[in-house]
Amino acid sequence: LAKTTQPISMDSYEGQEVNITCSHNNIATNDYITWYQQFPSQGPRFIIQGYKTKVTNEVASLFIPADRKSSTLSLPRVSLSDTAVYYCLVGDGMGAGSYQLTFGKGTKLSVIP
Amino acid sequence: EAGVVQSPRYKIIEKKQPVAFWCNPISGHNTLYWYRQNLGQGPELLIRYENEEAVDDSQLPKDRFSAERLKGVDSTLKIQPAELGDSAVYLCASSLNQLTNTEAFFGQGTRLTVV
Repeated sequence: LAKTTQPISMDSYEGQEVNITCSHNNIATNDYITWYQQFPSQGPRFIIQGYKTKVTNEVASLFIPADRKSSTLSLPRVSLSDTAVYYCLVGDGMGAGSYQLTFGKGTKLSVIP
Repeated sequence: EAGVVQSPRYKIIEKKQPVAFWCNPISGHNTLYWYRQNLGQGPELLIRYENEEAVDDSQLPKDRFSAERLKGVDSTLKIQPAELGDSAVYLCASSLNQLTNTEAFFGQGTRLTVV
């Protein structure tokens, strides 16, 4: 399994852009990078997924450099409601397209008024 | 559309007692996961099903934990007997299938307290 490393916690003021970087040095060729968000007392929720370069949706952007050994989740203009734990996951690529969700400890983002 | 439904939401039991959790995945989702999440930690995979087949149960403590997914739809996770260290949130998730890297949808979880 590709191991991921991300900061334990981050603080940000409302309205700022937040970038959370995840390291995954032993990512495999067929692995995807996925980010989940978890609020207290709720299950994780999918945010974004990518394989290379840049992916953007209505919630966030995901930047993946050419070597794919790291990725950065970018949250534009965060609000208090973005306070949550953010998990970076890398698919282990077992078999043809099979995808195993393996969570690390995540990054606890605290948005300050 | 209903999401992943888990019950009960909360459960308090005495140690050595049995307990069961139930999960109803999103309709049409072939892949089902059970996770355990301890306080301050990320979810830890216990078992993954593809339809009714358990394709990964390497992290399931088989001496006291068991799971089933009859007919490839609903699933139950059982602990017998429960120990104090089993106190955690048990999460169920489902995704479309294993052939594509599709997102997983999680239920709200069952918070188990063993006293």
